[in-house]
Amino acid sequence: QSALTQPPSASGSPGQSVTISCTGTSSDVGDYSYVSWYQQHPGKAPKVMIYEVTKRPSGVPDRFSGSKSGNTASLTVSGLQAEDEADYYCSSYAGSNNFEVFGTGTKVTVL
Amino acid sequence: EVQLVESGGGLVQPGGSLRLSCAASGFIFSRYNMKWVRQAPGKGLEWLSYISTSSSTIYYADSVKGRFTISRDNAKNSLYLEMNSLRAEDTAVYYCTRESPIVLAVSDYWGQGTLVTVSS
Repeated sequence: QSALTQPPSASGSPGQSVTISCTGTSSDVGDYSYVSWYQQHPGKAPKVMIYEVTKRPSGVPDRFSGSKSGNTASLTVSGLQAEDEADYYCSSYAGSNNFEVFGTGTKVTVL
Repeated sequence: EVQLVESGGGLVQPGGSLRLSCAASGFIFSRYNMKWVRQAPGKGLEWLSYISTSSSTIYYADSVKGRFTISRDNAKNSLYLEMNSLRAEDTAVYYCTRESPIVLAVSDYWGQGTLVTVSS
């Protein structure tokens, strides 16, 4: 099972928006609505920000939104804030046996 | 408060073995599916293994299949990962995660991780 493909980096100024893509295949992202996004600050454990493509857990700001088209999912962070600077990973359910696959990760920098 | 605390990491020689443990508290452990995820230094996340509540369903990533064994003891609120035939590329922080009770494959809680270093 290959990792989902994400751009290595993305950046934006405070208040701007940044969108991160996550490209998989018809066996994972394209076949299931179980795409999640995790935020990871340096030295910390990841935190789920989006699940089931578009849903936000309680406590996650509505500046974070998700979408999916075909084999590609996207995370958009609107109104960038300094604390949004982190690594972001997508994840998709990949069926029984393979179960779960993560993306390669994207470092978001707030300029 | 939900807590997951991993232990058992350390330095091991190539070809060696190690057993990781994850102590769970703050929730009814026996009602949740659990997973192991790792992160090599400076690299991304990699899902390793999944175990259902009763241990009846277990999955492994191809990279560890046949070498790693996941297990749990619901009476002790503990999750384990037995790692054999360790390689340099297994060097990573190993996280224990709880699967969300409402969403497939989502890890809603993570431990702080335990570092495994495979080196001679």
